Amino acid sequence: DSGVTQTPKHLITATGQRVTLRCSPRSGDLSVYWYQQSLDQGLQFLIQYYNGEERAKGNILERFSAQQFPDLHSELNLSSLELGDSALYFCASSPWTGRDYGYTFGSGTRLTVV
Amino acid sequence: KNEVEQSPQNLTAQEGEFITINCSYSVGISALHWLQQHPGGGIVSLFMLSSGKKKHGRLIATINIQEKHSSLHITASHPRDSAVYICAVKRGGSQGNLIFGKGTKLSVKP
Repeated sequence: DSGVTQTPKHLITATGQRVTLRCSPRSGDLSVYWYQQSLDQGLQFLIQYYNGEERAKGNILERFSAQQFPDLHSELNLSSLELGDSALYFCASSPWTGRDYGYTFGSGTRLTVV
Repeated sequence: KNEVEQSPQNLTAQEGEFITINCSYSVGISALHWLQQHPGGGIVSLFMLSSGKKKHGRLIATINIQEKHSSLHITASHPRDSAVYICAVKRGGSQGNLIFGKGTKLSVKP
């Protein structure tokens, strides 16, 4: 158990649909990061939350949104899904923001859009 | 050009061989990370470096900040070391998000 829990592990859905991916950070970690890993692009940063507030934004599409709740779990919402959104979505957590520290990664959610 | 470049992209070795994976980056960083991703997909953090050298078991990671280069070495490689090794950097002054290399796929044959 890595300490970061992501659900679901696998998700198959049709184009045009909306899905929600969930992440519970390692106990005590306040920062949550979402990353997308596709075959051709590698790992790309999507968005970061720290203690409930958005702190940094990467290559996140407007169709995607995220939030971090008071209990520190985070959800990534993907809407109007396209075939190209098929990827592994990782969540990572860390204790702080802006400092140098290790990260703990979840096992990922594999999204397949058909 | 990618901000983080890794070489080689693919590496096949015989069990027991000494392995080196290289990472070069073009941005100012505050830390560099080496990650391991197994075929099942999960990512494990191996090292975080801001200077010098770190060792954990058969794994050694070094960084040269002036040359913007890092290496990951595996001594006495074993088939269970087969995985994708990913170099990632945290840009200096950033909140914490990582910029990743495309990874090196290592296969160690018995």
